[in-house]
Amino acid sequence: KAGVTQTPRYLIKTRGQQVTLSCSPISGHRSVSWYQQTPGQGLQFLFEYFSETQRNKGNFPGRFSGRQFSNSRSEMNVSTLELGDSALYLCASSLDWGSTDTQYFGPGTRLTVL
Amino acid sequence: QKEVEQNSGPLSVPEGAIASLNCTYSDRGSQSFFWYRQYSGKSPELIMFIYSNGDKEDGRFTAQLNKASQYVSLLIRDSQPSDSATYLCAVNWDQGGSEKLVFGKGTKLTVNP
Repeated sequence: KAGVTQTPRYLIKTRGQQVTLSCSPISGHRSVSWYQQTPGQGLQFLFEYFSETQRNKGNFPGRFSGRQFSNSRSEMNVSTLELGDSALYLCASSLDWGSTDTQYFGPGTRLTVL
Repeated sequence: QKEVEQNSGPLSVPEGAIASLNCTYSDRGSQSFFWYRQYSGKSPELIMFIYSNGDKEDGRFTAQLNKASQYVSLLIRDSQPSDSATYLCAVNWDQGGSEKLVFGKGTKLTVNP
């Protein structure tokens, strides 16, 4: 069974631009969670989507948004990029909503904001 | 604010020794506790989870949970150089019926041959 895939793997943007990241969960997994990982703050929860609905949200500004499609694939969007948004963005898929014990991470998208 | 604290390390142990990684958490209501391993440049992978007080063993790994002390630990026996990685402790936080994981910042472990 294929794992979680994320595209693109690397991205370089400039301040003020926007970016869209994509995540395809493991086949049969219906929940996708997004995390931001930085050296200073560690791994922080952004949001979780299940059945095309946001079910849970972390403490990030409204510039961070996401959506989920009917095939469970998810996208995350960051608008008006800031230097501090440079991070590794990880998505994790799980079978069901809130199934934290079956959460598998993708390889991540490394975003650099110049 | 729910917090998970870990000693950032680095923790250095010789090959064959026992590595002990510790984690404390602030939310008394947390019920699920996880240890993830993250190799440099890679994504986290789940090693173990534990729900009940006491010890849980899986091969060379033992997770220990003490809810009264709000403390969870991971022991790695017979440490190998391949165990060198950052170990992340994660604790579930129930937000009104929906759970999310709160992660510590990780402890970097180096196993010296």
